Amino acid sequence: KAGVTQTPRYLIKTRGQQVTLSCSPISGHRSVSWYQQTPGQGLQFLFEYFSETQRNKGNFPGRFSGRQFSNSRSEMNVSTLELGDSALYLCASSWGPTGRETQYFGPGTRLLVL
Amino acid sequence: DAKTTQPPSMDCAEGRAANLPCNHSTISGNEYVYWYRQIHSQGPQYIIHGLKNNETNEMASLIITEDRKSSTLILPHATLRDTAVYYCIVRVESTPQGAQKLVFGQGTRLTINP
Repeated sequence: KAGVTQTPRYLIKTRGQQVTLSCSPISGHRSVSWYQQTPGQGLQFLFEYFSETQRNKGNFPGRFSGRQFSNSRSEMNVSTLELGDSALYLCASSWGPTGRETQYFGPGTRLLVL
Repeated sequence: DAKTTQPPSMDCAEGRAANLPCNHSTISGNEYVYWYRQIHSQGPQYIIHGLKNNETNEMASLIITEDRKSSTLILPHATLRDTAVYYCIVRVESTPQGAQKLVFGQGTRLTINP
């Protein structure tokens, strides 16, 4: 079974731009979570989607948003990029109905904001 | 709001057992302990999880103390490919619906030496 895939793997943007990242979960998984990893803050939870609904949200500004499609694929969007948004963005999928299933991570998208 | 404490770094000789400790003294009765590892800039890899009983799989063993305040991840025969940052995580249920998020601490950087 294929793992979690994320596209693109690398991205360079400039301040003020917006960016959309994509995540395809493991086949059959219905929950997708997003995390941000930076050297200073480590791995931090952004939000989680299940069956096209946001079920859980971390402490990030409204510039960070996401959505999930009926095929469970998910996108996250960051608007008005800041230098501090440079990070590895990780997506994790799980089967999901109880919210307590094991999460499996993708390889991440590395975003550099100049 | 990480709920775990791990040593920042450890060394182990190749072929020997690597024992990674984790303290989670504030763990609640229904919270699981998860272990993931992250090899340089890749997505975290799931290793094992447990609630109160010891667990073993093809990758590792997890020993949880009877009071559940600490645990140890054991890699029985460490290889150079086991060099990574190991995260001990208590899964936090942050919504009434039971939706989960993983709260990562700083982890233990394990170096396997030849």
